[in-house]
Amino acid sequence: ETGVTQSPTHLIKTRGQQVTLRCSSQSGHNTVSWYQQALGQGPQFIFQYYREEENGRGNFPPRFSGLQFPNYSSELNVNALELDDSALYLCASSRTGRSQETQYFGPGTRLLVL
Amino acid sequence: KNEVEQSPQNLTAQEGEFITINCSYSVGISALHWLQQHPGGGIVSLFMLSSGKKKHGRLIATINIQEKHSSLHITASHPRDSAVYICAVAYNNNDMRFGAGTRLTVKP
Repeated sequence: ETGVTQSPTHLIKTRGQQVTLRCSSQSGHNTVSWYQQALGQGPQFIFQYYREEENGRGNFPPRFSGLQFPNYSSELNVNALELDDSALYLCASSRTGRSQETQYFGPGTRLLVL
Repeated sequence: KNEVEQSPQNLTAQEGEFITINCSYSVGISALHWLQQHPGGGIVSLFMLSSGKKKHGRLIATINIQEKHSSLHITASHPRDSAVYICAVAYNNNDMRFGAGTRLTVKP
């Protein structure tokens, strides 16, 4: 158990809808990173939030957006869902977000877009 | 072409065997992570390396910065080691790139 929680665990949406995924970071951590993992592939970096500001972004379109709250929990929002958005979405928290730091992963949210 | 290449993609071993999983990357990094992912998706961080070698129990991770290569070794493998092992490289801009993973099955 890493102390990082995500909700919901599973979600089914239809194309064009919007979805919000949530992540609570481990106590004492002020950085949350989000990743998308398609079936059979490694995770891909979506973005990172550090102290409520976006602190790095991967190659994802603007319809992927996020928020971090004062308690350092975070949301990932995806608008205009596409079939290819079906994946496992993972969040990971770390103490300061430096690249040379262990990340603690949540169990993931499995999203299916029909 | 993925920036992070892992080999082999799949590996089946008998209990007790010594296992090596390799990872190569193409550009300079600030750190390399080895992760373990069990069925159902949960990921556990095993090692973070920026140089040299680290050991934890039966697991050993090494990195050669000049050759842009890292290896994860498992000694005296056990069926509970069965999982997907993922190599991930971290850059100074907080971006991380992941390998596709190596699926390890250890048979009793």
